Amino acid sequence: DQQVKQNSPSLSVQEGRISILNCDYTNSMFDYFLWYKKYPAEGPTFLISISSIKDKNEDGRFTVFLNKSAKHLSLHIVPSQPGDSAVYFCAASFSGAGSYQLTFGKGTKLSVIP
Amino acid sequence: DTAVSQTPKYLVTQMGNDKSIKCEQNLGHDTMYWYKQDSKKFLKIMFSYNNKELIINETVPNRFSPKSPDKAHLNLHINSLELGDSAVYFCASSRIGEGQYFGPGTRLTVT
Repeated sequence: DQQVKQNSPSLSVQEGRISILNCDYTNSMFDYFLWYKKYPAEGPTFLISISSIKDKNEDGRFTVFLNKSAKHLSLHIVPSQPGDSAVYFCAASFSGAGSYQLTFGKGTKLSVIP
Repeated sequence: DTAVSQTPKYLVTQMGNDKSIKCEQNLGHDTMYWYKQDSKKFLKIMFSYNNKELIINETVPNRFSPKSPDKAHLNLHINSLELGDSAVYFCASSRIGEGQYFGPGTRLTVT
């Protein structure tokens, strides 16, 4: 049972345009959400996070939006750059877990075309 | 400086063997984790550990055991390896409530 879903396995975007990666979750107990970026043969790299008390968090070119009623979050990358080409994982946790264990989505492969 | 390191990067071994993967973090984090990424690319939590408690994902076989000699290390021991254990294993660390930092992964192949 997938509690975190990324329904688009891949996405292609032109350089300079906006990339929008989507993520849905089913467990209403989740209260902390993160996005990770992963290059081949490397570990995931933390990008940005958001807690459930917010609906938006911004860090440079990366913005994460959270819609709690829809159990949906998205990552916006503006402007997209070729170096952004990677697999992006959405992850969620809840403070009740104590250790903030993460539940990951399956990932979306982003290709930014020069 | 490497924040979270794992050794070895690649591990090829035969069924039935016992092996260990080492993990070290130099970030001063209080919690460490082990994740498994299977052939379908799902990243799944196996363990989380801080100096207070070990939390085990109930789906992890008891052939897998984490060992923490100190706060900076969390090693993964696997007994009686099976073909289905072949995967990439990632170590991670964090402060409670913050984003986790991952190691580069160890690709385990069981033949």
